[in-house]
Amino acid sequence: EPEVTQTPSHQVTQMGQEVILRCVPISNHLYFYWYRQILGQKVEFLVSFYNNEISEKSEIFDDQFSVERPDGSNFTLKIRSTKLEDSAMYFCASSRGLIMAGETQYFGPGTRLLVL
Amino acid sequence: AQTVTQSQPEMSVQEAETVTLSCTYDTSESNYYLFWYKQPPSRQMILVIRQEAYKQQNATENRFSVNFQKAAKSFSLKISDSQLGDTAMYFCAFMKHEAQGGSEKLVFGKGTKLTVNP
Repeated sequence: EPEVTQTPSHQVTQMGQEVILRCVPISNHLYFYWYRQILGQKVEFLVSFYNNEISEKSEIFDDQFSVERPDGSNFTLKIRSTKLEDSAMYFCASSRGLIMAGETQYFGPGTRLLVL
Repeated sequence: AQTVTQSQPEMSVQEAETVTLSCTYDTSESNYYLFWYKQPPSRQMILVIRQEAYKQQNATENRFSVNFQKAAKSFSLKISDSQLGDTAMYFCAFMKHEAQGGSEKLVFGKGTKLTVNP
């Protein structure tokens, strides 16, 4: 069964450095999402992406964050200058269509980011 | 803004027994969707069951069923005949109905860690 994959599984970086988290959504999916979960807290929505543009972003998704679908298969989340509070598990999700139409968001296994 | 609360951080159950995980939510929306996702250790979240708020009948998927109480804003998950493979973190999630079919973001609870004991 097709799965959403994410790389790397773990990343450690220094504060102020740029990181790129990579996701490969399921191949025929059209809607893409990033969520994050700070340790011990709720999974939070960051951004949704459809038709090569951001559909919605949360307050967390400030100018330090960007998303891109560079080649039709990968979906990346870039954090330009990481802060300590960016340490979290980042989940990518994709769906073929809208949940309202009966579709499902499929999640990747996550990338654990640690900012030192 | 919508919020989802899972009041049980951890639960355990004996194999073959039944367990119920609680979830409450707060919203002013009348049309929305509710979900239970399961995240086994070191694996991705997978959808267990979904419920449309406009449907009165409780959703069922094999051993998994929900008790949806719209007036009480409660959405509990019942797992019958628990199996060792049910050991996982369970997340309750909410999504409001977007009339124009825009972004569909999920709002999650903190999760309940369920352990099934042999």
